[in-house]
Amino acid sequence: TQLLEQSPQFLSIQEGENLTVYCNSSSVFSSLQWYRQEPGEGPVLLVTVVTGGEVKKLKRLTFQFGDARKDSSLHITAAQPGDTGLYLCAGERTGTYKYIFGTGTRLKVLA
Amino acid sequence: GAVVSQHPSWVICKSGTSVKIECRSLDFQATTMFWYRQFPKQSLMLMATSNEGSKATYEQGVEKDKFLINHASLTLSTLTVTSAHPEDSSFYICSASGLAGGTGELFFGEGSRLTVL
Repeated sequence: TQLLEQSPQFLSIQEGENLTVYCNSSSVFSSLQWYRQEPGEGPVLLVTVVTGGEVKKLKRLTFQFGDARKDSSLHITAAQPGDTGLYLCAGERTGTYKYIFGTGTRLKVLA
Repeated sequence: GAVVSQHPSWVICKSGTSVKIECRSLDFQATTMFWYRQFPKQSLMLMATSNEGSKATYEQGVEKDKFLINHASLTLSTLTVTSAHPEDSSFYICSASGLAGGTGELFFGEGSRLTVL
């Protein structure tokens, strides 16, 4: 069974602080996605990374895919209350288009 | 981006009844749809993969007779929770992949919250 462990599970920070969320596995994935989910809604895709070592930036968010395609990180610079939510990584089982979701990181940014 | 819609958004039913949840891709043809369930404050767990015109593939531990999945057209998949019990109460989410260009990008529905009394 492929498992994706995210850390930390919970994070409460002040507005303006930086943070990094990690997504780790012992398995190799074809691609990896990051989502943010608000309560009572479906996840919203933030980014897809495909190549080992790939780095993508989305405004204040920086995503990195590990060289071996087993892990990923999400770094948020100068967090804002609007960044509050559940962050989920999802790895694609090689060649299947099936995505297995990570354990989730619940972020709360205080004003 | 592509739009996937679920209906109903929430449903309350009595124990023992069956409930059907629909997942529609509104502006693209979804060759593959996925069904997930999510318990409060937890991540999404993949239940099954639904391919248009063929039987669904269930993940280990998911009862296929309990969670009936039908994907009769390229724009609609349904999940029927049969003989629902309180432990089936959960947030059910579908996602669809058009596999356009083989990107595998998923588009998620808004989710359906089921409460079984």
